Amino acid sequence: ETGVTQTPRHLVMGMTNKKSLKCEQHLGHNAMYWYKQSAKKPLELMFVYSLEERVENNSVPSRFSPECPNSSHLFLHLHTLQPEDSALYLCASSQDRASGRARRFFGPGTRLTVL
Amino acid sequence: SQQGEEDPQALSIQEGENATMNCSYKTSINNLQWYRQNSGRGLVHLILIRSNEREKHSGRLRVTLDTSKKSSSLLITASRAADTASYFCATDNSGGSNYKLTFGKGTLLTVNP
Repeated sequence: ETGVTQTPRHLVMGMTNKKSLKCEQHLGHNAMYWYKQSAKKPLELMFVYSLEERVENNSVPSRFSPECPNSSHLFLHLHTLQPEDSALYLCASSQDRASGRARRFFGPGTRLTVL
Repeated sequence: SQQGEEDPQALSIQEGENATMNCSYKTSINNLQWYRQNSGRGLVHLILIRSNEREKHSGRLRVTLDTSKKSSSLLITASRAADTASYFCATDNSGGSNYKLTFGKGTLLTVNP
């Protein structure tokens, strides 16, 4: 496993619930990313934080709200989700500033099911 | 369509055989990366090849890049059952000025014992 952890690993929630996904990296990296992986679709970039500053919000619905309190932690707050939001949510980090050139280190993901 | 597209979508081979997966892309790139994902888990980085490189090796892995054809291939030699996974190519076509690493849909490799 990489030095990126995610909790919980599995989450089932109703459409009216509020929940949060947590990601922690132990690699001393300065950039963190949230990706969504749905069946038979390419990995979708949702949010990018570089040096704790959000640098990209890829047209993600407001029912997803990221938070990056420091360079080691990243959260994804969820509220009033839809069934189509069910997916594997992956957190990743990279060294230095966020860049397309940088190798990504991924966590194991949170499997989210919205009922 | 997305930048990187892997081919084939699925590949099934016997243990000991070689596996070749291809990736095609549409616009100029700075680098191309290959990742592996075991079922329901995170992606693991395998190899990064820069646009000025033509071939790279890492253990049983060999990656080639042909920028004139906008394509890359990943060869796994002497495959093992543990190589069963999905393999993704990802391209950086940003010029370094944005943050996107664009992933394809992946090739599902099954290595039968």
